[in-house]
Amino acid sequence: QVVLTQSPSASASLGASVKLTCTLSSGHTTYSIAWHQQQPEKGPRYLMKVNSDGSHNKGDGIPDRFSGSSSGAERYLTISSLQSEDEGDYYCQTWGSGIHVVFGGGTKMTVL
Amino acid sequence: QVQVEESGGGVVQPGGSLRLSCATSGFTFSTYGMHWVRQAPGKGLEWVAFIRNDGSNTYYADSVKGRFTISRDNSKNTLSLQMNSLRAEDTAVYYCAKDFRAEIGYMNVWGKGTTVIVSS
Repeated sequence: QVVLTQSPSASASLGASVKLTCTLSSGHTTYSIAWHQQQPEKGPRYLMKVNSDGSHNKGDGIPDRFSGSSSGAERYLTISSLQSEDEGDYYCQTWGSGIHVVFGGGTKMTVL
Repeated sequence: QVQVEESGGGVVQPGGSLRLSCATSGFTFSTYGMHWVRQAPGKGLEWVAFIRNDGSNTYYADSVKGRFTISRDNSKNTLSLQMNSLRAEDTAVYYCAKDFRAEIGYMNVWGKGTTVIVSS
């Protein structure tokens, strides 16, 4: 069974950049993942898919400030020029036959 | 504009049943797989169920297998989740989500959710 590991929390100052990490468990390090954002009291929103080669496909309307990358078992979400509306929870998610759908535990992002 | 909107949530006693619906618009419903995902109070996202675009395959989380049934009506562009034998731990906001393809994958459109409370 694949496990996605995320740090419980992250923080950075307004206007700064932050890099969130999602780590795939052993044996599943080539999987693609998707990043989803959940602002307080709202439903989730799809941000992007990140592949093992670092390529990514963003959802409609997602600002250029959001980008994705990869290194080994790690998949990253980088948010540049942080804004107050970037506060919220960020979840990574993967999928596949047999594993169905798996979510990471989420990272709570605070903009200082 | 691609949209999905859940309805049908409410308060139900343990052991009871509830049926959630998801109305969709702005895309060719019959082309895409669909998911239900839930979020218990103060917790993270938990995948619940998936149905392939043509309804030929369904998958469930172990926590709901045998109690929940996902279905779709491609003529009405609607998704449903029949929930039986409800337990307190099923209390959550339930989200309907569109997959990016016909078979299981990632969610690229989410609804705003409907709240289910299982309590006596």
